[in-house]
Amino acid sequence: GNSVTQMEGPVTLSEEAFLTINCTYTATGYPSLFWYVQYPGEGLQLLLKATKADDKGSNKGFEATYRKETTSFHLEKGSVQVSDSAVYFCALARNTGGFKTIFGAGTRLFVKA
Amino acid sequence: EPEVTQTPSHQVTQMGQEVILRCVPISNHLYFYWYRQILGQKVEFLVSFYNNEISEKSEIFDDQFSVERPDGSNFTLKIRSTKLEDSAMYFCASSEEQGQETQYFGPGTRLLVL
Repeated sequence: GNSVTQMEGPVTLSEEAFLTINCTYTATGYPSLFWYVQYPGEGLQLLLKATKADDKGSNKGFEATYRKETTSFHLEKGSVQVSDSAVYFCALARNTGGFKTIFGAGTRLFVKA
Repeated sequence: EPEVTQTPSHQVTQMGQEVILRCVPISNHLYFYWYRQILGQKVEFLVSFYNNEISEKSEIFDDQFSVERPDGSNFTLKIRSTKLEDSAMYFCASSEEQGQETQYFGPGTRLLVL
């Protein structure tokens, strides 16, 4: 079946550090891949997406590349800020009769000043 | 920018009571979804809805749950007889016509069953 595995948190970094959150997926066919972010007390916001192999999604300094050969979609940011503290969810979506989104468990990021 | 809205933001209910969670999807979207997130856990798919019928549902979505699009704008999730384990954040989402996999999520309704 389809599934998403992402690195366990929490991840604690100092401001301006480099961020990587690993994500791998299992899916038949060619899913679209997403990163969603959930700030404390808020809902889910789409951070970035990629719809085919080798696509790079980017937004707000974050980026992730759809790697079909390694079934990965790792999230990176060159210099994190305190305001990036949130939970990050990797997700995939395929047409299964309704394009349901399958989420990873989430990785909590704490950024210290 | 258009967005998905949900009401109420918080709901507290007694076990066994019925609750209705409301969502207004983005106006030109045709696919609608409910997800839930138990505190500290992953976001789980409940149901997808298209053309006035359920297109897929998870094993969580049992006979206690139902969805409805009563008019051209609202999309509701009803839980007939709430249980303690229904306490969670419930997210509504919508997406455009077929082929557009990006789903836009509402801010969620936090349901607490006592």
